[in-house]
Amino acid sequence: EVQLVESGGALVQPGGSLRLSCAASGFTVSNYEMNWVRQAPGKGLEWVSYIHVTSTTKYYPDSVKGRFTISRDDAANSLYLHMNSLRAEDTAVYYCAKAFFSGMDVWGQGTTVTVSS
Amino acid sequence: QAALTQPASVSGSPGQSITISCTGTNNDVGAFNYVSWYQQYPGKAPKLMIYDVSYRPSGVSNRFSGSKSGNTASLTISGLQAEDEADYYCSSYRGSTTRIFGGGTKLTVL
Repeated sequence: EVQLVESGGALVQPGGSLRLSCAASGFTVSNYEMNWVRQAPGKGLEWVSYIHVTSTTKYYPDSVKGRFTISRDDAANSLYLHMNSLRAEDTAVYYCAKAFFSGMDVWGQGTTVTVSS
Repeated sequence: QAALTQPASVSGSPGQSITISCTGTNNDVGAFNYVSWYQQYPGKAPKLMIYDVSYRPSGVSNRFSGSKSGNTASLTISGLQAEDEADYYCSSYRGSTTRIFGGGTKLTVL
């Protein structure tokens, strides 16, 4: 079964750091473009990062650029999101998602990040 | 980055058809055939319903269809069923490096 499982969400203080993990099963992460998408409480979806198959090309929206870094561990078949200088507005459920043409066809269940003092 | 514009809510009765619009600009929806649509139930992860404007992934009902005209994409659900009640989001590429979502539309089946 094709599956993604996120972990690492936590309560963190403003200015703090966190690393989210996304373990894949049923497919090889390195063969696909991958994304992180977040959803603030009661709000819509927001794309937050992308990594190409080669892992050398990575994209971010302005809202997280310079603070978030996407990475991949092929041996672990996992995707990561390193988040620094966290702000209250980063509070959200974070999903990893596998790209499928212009869409995202496999999503994890999400992991919750809360930024608060 | 400004989101794509969707109506906050739409509603319809069982058996009817509804259409959800997604309006962007010449830099996103109008520039590429890279529009996708997602269905999301409360507390659940999104599910891909349409990709590349009008293609359905395997397993998605043919009651769901997508189209695009200029800077506006549309999702049509025909033969509305109670199980279709959910939030729906559109998404597009903006340039080659950015993906954006719409604000979401709550579909109510009356």
